[in-house]
Amino acid sequence: DVKVTQSSRYLVKRTGEKVFLECVQDMDHENMFWYRQDPGLGLRLIYFSYDVKMKEKGDIPEGYSVSREKKERFSLILESASTNQTSMYLCASNPTGTVNEKLFFGSGTQLSVL
Amino acid sequence: AQSVTQLDSQVPVFEEAPVELRCNYSSSVSVYLFWYVQYPNQGLQLLLKYLSGSTLVKGINGFEAEFNKSQTSFHLRKPSVHISDTAEYFCAVSKAGNTPLVFGKGTRLSVIA
Repeated sequence: DVKVTQSSRYLVKRTGEKVFLECVQDMDHENMFWYRQDPGLGLRLIYFSYDVKMKEKGDIPEGYSVSREKKERFSLILESASTNQTSMYLCASNPTGTVNEKLFFGSGTQLSVL
Repeated sequence: AQSVTQLDSQVPVFEEAPVELRCNYSSSVSVYLFWYVQYPNQGLQLLLKYLSGSTLVKGINGFEAEFNKSQTSFHLRKPSVHISDTAEYFCAVSKAGNTPLVFGKGTRLSVIA
């Protein structure tokens, strides 16, 4: 069964901390994505990657960076966490060349920044 | 750039009643359209998709959607809902090619016994 695993279900951090959110997929997918989900705002794309060491900015990249050193792992980094980054973070993946067919999502990480 | 508008943020409906969740998109080019569902405390999963061909698309769990190019709509329907359909539903659009999905703000469907 295909799997996208996010390392933490719940995370509590303090303002100013550096935060790492990890995502691993076991399907050999080329494409990986980070979205944040907020009530009433839906899903908004932060960053995505089509290949190892490649990254592209999404719609709301400010305050975030990403790392893709290995094909299966895509990390989201909050350089200096702020309270407005309290949110549900969703990682997703799919294979390239499939016209954005089925995205496989992780279960999400609920991040609270205090 | 493409965008998606889900016209209802919340839809309450009685069990076994029909339901329609509305979605309109805007794009100057051909698009692909999707509906995803998120059950409580779970990740999103694909319900159905329109890529080309027949404008009536059938998905999992008895849902279907109709692509209407002239009205730029992709409404989701089910003739008889169950309690287990209670979830948040997201409409999404993508341009042709390998571009990321743009999601709507979601519609929370609550099925009442």
